[in-house]
Amino acid sequence: DAKTTQPTSMDCAEGRAANLPCNHSTISGNEYVYWYRQIHSQGPQYIIHGLKNNETNEMASLIITEDRKSSTLILPHATLRDTAVYYCIAYVLWAGNQFYFGTGTSLTVIP
Amino acid sequence: DTEVTQTPKHLVMGMTNKKSLKCEQHMGHRAMYWYKQKAKKPPELMFVYSYEKLSINESVPSRFSPECPNSSLLNLHLHALQPEDSALYLCASSFDRQRGSYNEQFFGPGTRLTVL
Repeated sequence: DAKTTQPTSMDCAEGRAANLPCNHSTISGNEYVYWYRQIHSQGPQYIIHGLKNNETNEMASLIITEDRKSSTLILPHATLRDTAVYYCIAYVLWAGNQFYFGTGTSLTVIP
Repeated sequence: DTEVTQTPKHLVMGMTNKKSLKCEQHMGHRAMYWYKQKAKKPPELMFVYSYEKLSINESVPSRFSPECPNSSLLNLHLHALQPEDSALYLCASSFDRQRGSYNEQFFGPGTRLTVL
């Protein structure tokens, strides 16, 4: 599985868009990019995933570069409840169900 | 029901004790997982069950013994643990590896384990 790298921490003003980058330069063609977040001492929560195309759901948008070497998770209007650790995971379907979490980005939304 | 439940929420045990963690889901998922998470670290995969059979053991010490009695239930039996085993133990489930891209894992809230 490709290794992912993320900034250790980021701040974002409440109401503004939070853009969380992830580098996965060694990603292979069959690896999906998954994003999870973990609010303090809770279980990780699924946010979104994608393969090649940009994706959007009710929580966030995922922008994947054309070469697939990096992606950005966008929380369009960050709230205080979005303060969490965000994990980007490169995940191969069909080859087992194991997720290997990277170190994640600690996002703090500031009032 | 889109929830993974874990019991107990907190557990304190001595190094000579035997205890068990329990995880349950009623989403019809056929893959279930145990993760261990130390403070300020990401979750680390321990075990994967697929269709009630152990498919992945990430070189976990034998003092951790998983069990999947049926498709809804996953246990983690603990025996002779060490203080360094203190951590948050997370359970997760997903449809199964053949499901295609809709295979996100649903996590429970975890059991906070302290070994004295």
